[in-house]
Amino acid sequence: QLQLRESGPGLVKPSETLSLTCTVSGGSITSISYYWGWIRQPPGKGLEWIGSKFYTGSTYYNPSLKSRVTISVDTSKSQISLKLNSVTAADTAIYYCARLSRRPQGGTTAQIDYWGQGTLVTVSS
Amino acid sequence: QSALTQPPSASGSPGQSVTIFCTGTSSDVGGYNYVSWYQHNPGKAPKLMIYEVTKRPSGVPDRFSGSKSGNTASLTVSGLQAEDEANYYCSSYAGSNNLVFGGGTKLTVL
Repeated sequence: QLQLRESGPGLVKPSETLSLTCTVSGGSITSISYYWGWIRQPPGKGLEWIGSKFYTGSTYYNPSLKSRVTISVDTSKSQISLKLNSVTAADTAIYYCARLSRRPQGGTTAQIDYWGQGTLVTVSS
Repeated sequence: QSALTQPPSASGSPGQSVTIFCTGTSSDVGGYNYVSWYQHNPGKAPKLMIYEVTKRPSGVPDRFSGSKSGNTASLTVSGLQAEDEANYYCSSYAGSNNLVFGGGTKLTVL
């Protein structure tokens, strides 16, 4: 059974960089059928897609976050990482790691079949 | 890209049917057959209930069904059960490898 587990600091200071890691177990991170991504949920609000990455490199970001976000994949460790810089209180959220299905012609779909349990990151001084 | 529009709440009695709507634009919901629905209970990981507008993953009861008309997708839960009470989110492919979610609908089983 595929499992995704997020880890990282639960508290980040304003203007600093939020860094999270997702460890994938029970399945291959190098499957050609999937992208790996991050989704977040601010307190009391809905879900927001942050970005998606294929293990060979193709990466796509939410246009509203693109200037501040980097997603990378370490196939040797089966890990996906998220870096979000210049954070503010608006970046306080539960951050989920997720697996997204890939379209036959390439690129992502809206089909997320595996999610991590999520990790709360609070931005505060 | 803007979030998809969902009603904040919906409700029904056990055994009844309830439909949750998700309205987007021709650039997302209306333009692609890549609409998904997720069931989310606080503190847990979201669960995929419907993908590609109408398809159900293995293990999801057939009480859950999806459809789309124009720029609006819908999730219907038939034969409501207490365990169906949760938050439901729609999502859609929005072109250029972007993804957009709805604001979520809290489903209450009366």
